[in-house]
Amino acid sequence: EVVLTQSPGTLSLSPGERATLSCRASHSVTSNYLAWYQQKLGLPPRLLIYGASSRATGIPDRFSGSGSGTDFTLTITRLEPEDFAVYYCLRSDTSPMYTFGQGTRLEIK
Amino acid sequence: EVHLVESGGGLVQPGGSLRLSCAASGFTFSNYWMHWVRQPPGKGLVWVSRVSPDGTDTNYADSVKGRITISRDNAGNSVNLQMNNLRAEDTAVYYCVRLNRVGKLSDYLYYYGMDVWGQGTTVTVSS
Repeated sequence: EVVLTQSPGTLSLSPGERATLSCRASHSVTSNYLAWYQQKLGLPPRLLIYGASSRATGIPDRFSGSGSGTDFTLTITRLEPEDFAVYYCLRSDTSPMYTFGQGTRLEIK
Repeated sequence: EVHLVESGGGLVQPGGSLRLSCAASGFTFSNYWMHWVRQPPGKGLVWVSRVSPDGTDTNYADSVKGRITISRDNAGNSVNLQMNNLRAEDTAVYYCVRLNRVGKLSDYLYYYGMDVWGQGTTVTVSS
């Protein structure tokens, strides 16, 4: 079974701080087909990062992605109030099946 | 402006059926793979199904295979999800999603991202 495990489950930080979110794959992700999505309460998700490290259109440069193989990281430098949300990673190299991580909730401390 | 608008959700008894629809506008619908992703109450995102641009290729998550059928009408710019034999665990918000080419991996390979999402329609399976 293909699994993505995100950690921590909840991250409590203050505006201006740096956030580091992890996504670990049970099997290596081919060609970095790993994306990150942000979901705010009551809204649909928004694509942030694709190809593990490329920002989607319109995404501020305080968001960055890194990693390869089985370990991936989403970093948000200098948290803004609007960044507090739930973040999901998604792998698409096992197409036609797509697998989301269970999410990390980023909350205001 | 690019839009996806879902409809058709509601309350249905276990074993019942529902047909979800998604109306697309603002882009050339027939050029894109379309997906459905669901989110159970208070839980994370789960991929459900996808359909190719011409409608001939479809795929399903194991949890819905045999009970759900995805289809599309390119003339009408819509994608549908026929859901049969519904179970309590199908209770969720169902999102219609566009898959778009968002970046280049090599001369012949591209990265794709779920770049447009509808607002979702809620399905509740309960007696």
